[in-house]
Amino acid sequence: RKEVEQDPGPFNVPEGATVAFNCTYSNSASQSFFWYRQDCRKEPKLLMSVYSSGNEDGRFTAQLNRASQYISLLIRDSKLSDSATYLCVVKGNAGGTSYGKLTFGQGTILTVHP
Amino acid sequence: NAGVTQTPKFRILKIGQSMTLQCTQDMNHNYMYWYRQDPGMGLKLIYYSVGAGITDKGEVPNGYNVSRSTTEDFPLRLELAAPSQTSVYFCASSKTDRGYEQYFGPGTRLTVT
Repeated sequence: RKEVEQDPGPFNVPEGATVAFNCTYSNSASQSFFWYRQDCRKEPKLLMSVYSSGNEDGRFTAQLNRASQYISLLIRDSKLSDSATYLCVVKGNAGGTSYGKLTFGQGTILTVHP
Repeated sequence: NAGVTQTPKFRILKIGQSMTLQCTQDMNHNYMYWYRQDPGMGLKLIYYSVGAGITDKGEVPNGYNVSRSTTEDFPLRLELAAPSQTSVYFCASSKTDRGYEQYFGPGTRLTVT
Protein backbone atom coordinates (compact mmCIF):
# COMPACT_ATOMS: atom_id res chain seq x y z
CA ARG A 1 0.00 0.00 0.00
CA LYS A 2 1.30 3.45 -0.90
CA GLU A 3 2.03 5.77 2.03
CA VAL A 4 -0.19 8.48 0.56
CA GLU A 5 -2.82 7.60 -2.04
CA GLN A 6 -4.84 9.93 -4.20
CA ASP A 7 -7.18 9.41 -7.12
CA PRO A 8 -5.09 10.76 -10.01
CA GLY A 9 -8.19 11.90 -11.93
CA PRO A 10 -8.36 13.80 -14.14
CA PHE A 11 -11.38 15.65 -12.85
CA ASN A 12 -12.98 17.78 -15.55
CA VAL A 13 -15.55 20.21 -14.17
CA PRO A 14 -17.35 23.31 -15.47
CA GLU A 15 -16.78 26.73 -13.97
CA GLY A 16 -18.84 27.21 -10.86
CA ALA A 17 -18.91 23.52 -9.95
CA THR A 18 -18.02 22.08 -6.56
CA VAL A 19 -15.37 19.37 -6.62
CA ALA A 20 -13.89 17.22 -3.88
CA PHE A 21 -10.60 15.34 -3.72
CA ASN A 22 -9.76 12.57 -1.30
CA CYS A 23 -6.52 11.25 0.05
CA THR A 24 -5.67 8.36 2.36
CA TYR A 25 -2.45 7.81 4.31
CA SER A 26 -1.05 4.65 5.81
CA ASN A 27 1.05 5.88 8.76
CA SER A 28 -1.21 6.42 11.76
CA ALA A 29 1.60 8.34 13.50
CA SER A 30 1.51 11.08 10.86
CA GLN A 31 1.43 14.49 12.47
CA SER A 32 0.83 17.20 9.91
CA PHE A 33 -1.16 17.38 6.72
CA PHE A 34 -1.14 19.74 3.78
CA TRP A 35 -2.53 20.35 0.34
CA TYR A 36 -0.07 21.71 -2.21
CA ARG A 37 -0.96 22.97 -5.65
CA GLN A 38 1.25 22.38 -8.68
CA ASP A 39 0.63 24.15 -11.97
CA CYS A 40 1.75 22.49 -15.19
CA ARG A 41 5.56 22.35 -15.37
CA LYS A 42 5.91 24.50 -12.24
CA GLU A 43 6.98 23.94 -8.67
CA PRO A 44 4.55 22.89 -5.90
CA LYS A 45 3.20 25.66 -3.69
CA LEU A 46 1.41 25.35 -0.38
CA LEU A 47 -2.35 25.73 -0.78
CA MET A 48 -3.33 25.11 2.82
CA SER A 49 -2.52 23.16 5.94
CA VAL A 50 -5.14 20.71 7.19
CA TYR A 51 -6.16 20.90 10.85
CA SER A 52 -7.95 18.29 12.92
CA SER A 53 -11.04 20.46 13.30
CA GLY A 54 -11.18 21.17 9.57
CA ASN A 55 -10.40 24.54 8.09
CA GLU A 56 -11.53 26.85 5.35
CA ASP A 57 -9.73 29.38 3.20
CA GLY A 58 -12.12 31.21 0.91
CA ARG A 59 -13.53 28.68 -1.54
CA PHE A 60 -11.32 25.88 -0.23
CA THR A 61 -12.21 23.59 2.67
CA ALA A 62 -9.93 20.90 4.06
CA GLN A 63 -10.99 18.09 6.37
CA LEU A 64 -9.02 15.50 8.32
CA ASN A 65 -10.34 12.22 9.70
CA ARG A 66 -7.59 10.67 11.82
CA ALA A 67 -9.61 7.57 12.65
CA SER A 68 -10.04 6.72 8.99
CA GLN A 69 -6.65 8.20 7.98
CA TYR A 70 -8.36 10.29 5.37
CA ILE A 71 -7.94 13.87 4.14
CA SER A 72 -10.19 15.79 1.80
CA LEU A 73 -10.17 19.05 -0.13
CA LEU A 74 -13.37 20.71 -1.30
CA ILE A 75 -13.31 23.48 -3.88
CA ARG A 76 -16.49 25.51 -4.28
CA ASP A 77 -17.40 27.75 -7.21
CA SER A 78 -14.51 26.46 -9.33
CA LYS A 79 -12.59 28.99 -11.43
CA LEU A 80 -10.61 28.41 -14.60
CA SER A 81 -7.54 29.39 -12.59
CA ASP A 82 -8.09 26.42 -10.24
CA SER A 83 -6.91 24.07 -13.02
CA ALA A 84 -3.81 22.40 -11.58
CA THR A 85 -2.58 19.25 -9.88
CA TYR A 86 -3.40 19.03 -6.18
CA LEU A 87 -0.89 17.17 -4.05
CA CYS A 88 -1.82 15.61 -0.73
CA VAL A 89 1.17 15.83 1.62
CA VAL A 90 1.64 14.08 4.95
CA LYS A 91 4.35 14.74 7.52
CA GLY A 92 5.41 11.75 9.54
CA ASN A 93 6.47 11.38 13.12
CA ALA A 94 10.08 12.50 13.60
CA GLY A 95 10.56 9.53 15.92
CA GLY A 96 13.11 11.20 18.13
CA THR A 97 15.12 12.69 15.29
CA SER A 98 14.96 16.31 14.30
CA TYR A 99 13.35 15.60 10.97
CA GLY A 100 9.84 14.55 10.03
CA LYS A 101 9.61 13.27 6.52
CA LEU A 102 7.14 14.78 4.06
CA THR A 103 5.43 12.21 1.86
CA PHE A 104 3.72 13.40 -1.30
CA GLY A 105 0.79 11.75 -3.03
CA GLN A 106 0.98 11.46 -6.81
CA GLY A 107 -1.50 14.29 -7.21
CA THR A 108 -5.01 14.76 -8.53
CA ILE A 109 -5.38 16.60 -11.82
CA LEU A 110 -8.17 19.16 -12.01
CA THR A 111 -9.28 20.85 -15.21
CA VAL A 112 -11.95 23.53 -14.97
CA HIS A 113 -13.57 24.37 -18.32
CA PRO A 114 -15.77 27.28 -19.39
CA ASN B 1 13.91 38.37 -2.02
CA ALA B 2 14.29 35.70 -4.73
CA GLY B 3 13.27 32.74 -2.55
CA VAL B 4 14.73 29.47 -3.84
CA THR B 5 16.62 29.57 -7.12
CA GLN B 6 17.89 26.63 -9.16
CA THR B 7 20.22 26.35 -12.10
CA PRO B 8 20.20 25.14 -14.78
CA LYS B 9 16.53 25.04 -15.84
CA PHE B 10 17.14 22.32 -18.41
CA ARG B 11 19.98 19.92 -19.13
CA ILE B 12 20.63 16.95 -21.36
CA LEU B 13 23.34 14.56 -20.22
CA LYS B 14 24.88 11.57 -21.88
CA ILE B 15 25.05 8.31 -19.94
CA GLY B 16 28.08 8.33 -17.66
CA GLN B 17 28.48 12.09 -17.52
CA SER B 18 28.36 14.00 -14.24
CA MET B 19 26.88 17.33 -13.29
CA THR B 20 25.95 19.53 -10.35
CA LEU B 21 22.52 21.03 -9.87
CA GLN B 22 22.75 24.31 -8.01
CA CYS B 23 20.27 25.50 -5.38
CA THR B 24 20.35 28.74 -3.41
CA GLN B 25 17.88 30.24 -0.96
CA ASP B 26 17.91 33.75 0.50
CA MET B 27 15.38 33.23 3.31
CA ASN B 28 17.94 32.12 5.92
CA HIS B 29 16.21 28.76 6.20
CA ASN B 30 18.02 26.02 8.07
CA TYR B 31 16.33 23.12 6.33
CA MET B 32 16.90 22.32 2.67
CA TYR B 33 15.77 19.41 0.53
CA TRP B 34 16.24 17.82 -2.86
CA TYR B 35 13.35 15.98 -4.50
CA ARG B 36 12.84 14.30 -7.81
CA GLN B 37 9.50 14.06 -9.57
CA ASP B 38 8.90 11.48 -12.27
CA PRO B 39 5.90 11.86 -14.63
CA GLY B 40 2.60 11.14 -12.87
CA MET B 41 4.35 10.47 -9.59
CA GLY B 42 4.69 12.25 -6.29
CA LEU B 43 7.90 13.88 -5.19
CA LYS B 44 10.56 11.60 -3.76
CA LEU B 45 13.11 12.92 -1.28
CA ILE B 46 16.73 12.42 -2.36
CA TYR B 47 18.71 14.20 0.37
CA TYR B 48 18.04 16.79 3.01
CA SER B 49 20.01 19.08 5.29
CA VAL B 50 19.14 20.52 8.68
CA GLY B 51 21.89 23.12 8.61
CA ALA B 52 25.31 23.96 7.24
CA GLY B 53 27.59 20.95 7.44
CA ILE B 54 24.78 18.47 8.14
CA THR B 55 23.20 16.31 5.45
CA ASP B 56 21.33 13.02 5.42
CA LYS B 57 19.82 10.58 2.94
CA GLY B 58 16.19 10.57 1.94
CA GLU B 59 14.24 7.82 0.18
CA VAL B 60 16.17 7.66 -3.10
CA PRO B 61 19.80 8.77 -2.53
CA ASN B 62 21.60 6.27 -4.78
CA GLY B 63 23.54 7.93 -7.58
CA TYR B 64 23.54 11.36 -5.90
CA ASN B 65 25.65 13.32 -3.46
CA VAL B 66 25.16 16.61 -1.65
CA SER B 67 27.09 19.10 0.42
CA ARG B 68 26.03 22.04 2.57
CA SER B 69 28.92 24.38 3.26
CA THR B 70 26.73 27.47 3.76
CA THR B 71 23.17 28.13 4.91
CA GLU B 72 22.27 29.45 1.47
CA ASP B 73 23.58 26.77 -0.89
CA PHE B 74 22.73 23.10 -1.26
CA PRO B 75 24.13 21.64 -4.50
CA LEU B 76 23.19 18.17 -5.74
CA ARG B 77 25.83 16.15 -7.57
CA LEU B 78 24.99 13.43 -10.08
CA GLU B 79 27.84 11.03 -10.72
CA LEU B 80 27.78 8.67 -13.71
CA ALA B 81 24.37 9.70 -15.00
CA ALA B 82 21.94 6.93 -15.93
CA PRO B 83 18.65 7.05 -17.90
CA SER B 84 16.80 6.27 -14.65
CA GLN B 85 17.86 9.71 -13.41
CA THR B 86 15.81 11.43 -16.09
CA SER B 87 13.41 13.48 -14.01
CA VAL B 88 12.49 16.93 -12.75
CA TYR B 89 14.55 17.94 -9.73
CA PHE B 90 13.18 20.35 -7.16
CA CYS B 91 15.09 22.00 -4.37
CA ALA B 92 13.13 23.27 -1.37
CA SER B 93 13.75 24.99 1.93
CA SER B 94 11.89 25.54 5.17
CA LYS B 95 12.43 27.46 8.37
CA THR B 96 12.26 24.27 10.42
CA ASP B 97 10.64 20.90 9.85
CA ARG B 98 7.89 21.43 12.42
CA GLY B 99 4.95 21.97 10.12
CA TYR B 100 6.41 24.99 8.40
CA GLU B 101 5.78 25.46 4.69
CA GLN B 102 8.41 24.19 2.29
CA TYR B 103 9.29 26.68 -0.45
CA PHE B 104 10.27 25.13 -3.75
CA GLY B 105 12.56 26.32 -6.50
CA PRO B 106 11.39 26.30 -10.14
CA GLY B 107 12.99 22.93 -10.88
CA THR B 108 15.62 21.50 -13.21
CA ARG B 109 14.46 19.25 -16.05
CA LEU B 110 17.15 16.65 -16.64
CA THR B 111 17.24 14.15 -19.48
CA VAL B 112 19.87 11.41 -19.60
CA THR B 113 20.28 9.71 -22.98
